Order: sequence, then structure tokens, then C-alpha cells
Amino acid sequence: DAKTTQPNSMESNEEEPVHLPCNHSTISGTDYIHWYRQLPSQGPEYVIHGLTSNVNNRMASLAIAEDRKSSTLILHRATLRDAAVYYCILRDVKKGYGNKLVFGAGTILRVKS
Amino acid sequence: GAGVSQSPRYKVAKRGQDVALRCDPISGHVSLFWYQQALGQGPEFLTYFQNEAQLDKSGLPSDRFFAERPEGSVSTLKIQRTQQEDSAVYLCASSARDRLYFGPGTRLTVT
Repeated sequence: DAKTTQPNSMESNEEEPVHLPCNHSTISGTDYIHWYRQLPSQGPEYVIHGLTSNVNNRMASLAIAEDRKSSTLILHRATLRDAAVYYCILRDVKKGYGNKLVFGAGTILRVKS
Repeated sequence: GAGVSQSPRYKVAKRGQDVALRCDPISGHVSLFWYQQALGQGPEFLTYFQNEAQLDKSGLPSDRFFAERPEGSVSTLKIQRTQQEDSAVYLCASSARDRLYFGPGTRLTVT
């Protein structure tokens, strides 16, 4: 499985945008970029995913570099409830929906009030 | 609708005891995954079911770990002769297509 690299931690002020980077220089053409987050004492939850084009949903936006070797998860206005560990994961669609997610250490996001 | 549920939420076992952890996936979800998460680390894959078939058990750390999903819905992860290094949160996730839905996990503490 192709690997991703994320900063260990980031800090943000409440109500400000947050840009969480992820590098995946060995990404293959069939790898989707997935983001999950894990709030304290909870299981991970899906945030967003994409292949080539930028994606938006009610939680966040995903900006994907043209060469697909990096991506950025954007939280438009961070709240205290966004404090969590954010995981960037590559998932090869060729391997089907049984293809497991391989988690790294993720980025710990701290939000200051 | 109802999400993935797991029981018990907390389990304390003495070293050497057997434990059984239950996962109730979202109704109709074909795929079911088990993960193990040690303190301060990301979840690590244990095993995967498609309906009742266990298609990938490459992450099970030893033959003390056993999982089943006999009717393609509820799944049980069993750990025999628990050891201290088995202390972790055990997460279950189900999936219908391209995203996984995780339960809250079972925190296992082996004393």
C-alpha cells in the first residue's frame, strides 16, 4: 500500500480555517485519497475522499495537487469540536471494497478558543 | 439510522482469561472489519469479512485471536488466554461501498 506522510500535530484558532497537509508521492493511478478523523474516545469517522478533482462536502474540502502527490484537507472554520486526530489514507479502488484502510499516526489537531 | 454498535464498551480481564467482543454492523452492510488500536497509535487492521466469509485475516497477531461472522451480520472477536500486550481498543467497522463506518470500540484492559 502506498504510504502517506502527515505532520504530527497542528494548532488552530477557533473560527479560523485549517489546512491539513498530506504527502503521498508514491500514489498510484487507482488510489483514492481518503480522510478520516478520530475524536477523543470515539471510533474514526469518514470526512471526505477524492481521486483527482477537488471535493467539497458539509464537513470539509479536499484539495488535490495536479500531480496527485499531495493533498490538503481544509476545514473552513475550525470549532472546538474539530479537535481530533486526522488520518490521510490511500485506498486502491482496484482491490475492491474489501480493501482495508491502512492508518498511519495521523495529525493531532488542537483548536484554541 | 443506527450506526455500528459494539459491546461491551469496557472489559477488564485477568491474564489468561478468554474474552469475546461483539460487533453489530449497520444492517445490510456486506463488509466488516476489525481493528486494534493501542494507546496513542492509529488503528491496525486485524481481519475482514465479506458476508460470512473471512477473506483476510492477515492482521491477526497470533492464533489466540479468532473472529467469526456466522450469519453475515453480527461478528465476534475472541481472544484466548489474554496477555497484557492485548490491552487496546478493539474497533469494528462496516461498509457498503467506499467508506467505512466505525463503532465506538471496546476498551480491553488485561491485568
